[in-house]
Amino acid sequence: SAVISQKPSRDICQRGTSLTIQCQVDSQVTMMFWYRQQPGQSLTLIATANQGSEATYESGFVIDKFPISRPNLTFSTLTVSNMSPEDSSIYLCSVETAEDEQFFGPGTRLTVL
Amino acid sequence: AQSVTQLDSHVSVSEGTPVLLRCNYSSSYSPSLFWYVQHPNKGLQLLLKYTSAATLVKGINGFEAEFKKSETSFHLTKPSAHMSDAAEYFCVVRLVAGNNRKLIWGLGTSLAVNP
Repeated sequence: SAVISQKPSRDICQRGTSLTIQCQVDSQVTMMFWYRQQPGQSLTLIATANQGSEATYESGFVIDKFPISRPNLTFSTLTVSNMSPEDSSIYLCSVETAEDEQFFGPGTRLTVL
Repeated sequence: AQSVTQLDSHVSVSEGTPVLLRCNYSSSYSPSLFWYVQHPNKGLQLLLKYTSAATLVKGINGFEAEFKKSETSFHLTKPSAHMSDAAEYFCVVRLVAGNNRKLIWGLGTSLAVNP
């Protein structure tokens, strides 16, 4: 298994600003993922972040809006840029272990006013 | 293309009665399948996984799921529901295409357990 922490746990932001979410895992992992979960809904994959390469974004998500860093095998950041109320959501990072299991962080609850 | 369908958006059971949460998948090859649980205001937790070994998979908290290839199903069951089982449950299929690996999520089933 893997233990994942995220910071901040929640934030309230003004439209037009940016927020950077940090994800820290307690072991080295190759693959990290960023998801969004709207209230009461399922998860939507934003991007896959592998260390040493550019993040791979899913349809509907672009690097200018959601830049991702992956500086090493235990850490990643997701920035939500130029926020609007539609970006209000829970943002989750996850990692895939050698056993092909994904473990999730506790999430960052973002509210954009 | 791979996809997963959770047949019930809401399931309500009485405490002590069996739980059945239904999931059908679509995959062009032998899939890896998972069930996750999300309790209110808590993180996602892996309940169990199927990865082409035994077709009956036992997970945590007394849950189990049976992979049925002929029916393309992976239903989640528990013999006796507990109040603490009330949560959102997600059926997930793992997509592998070259170096691209990602999870395809069902829309979720909300389980209510009545006293």
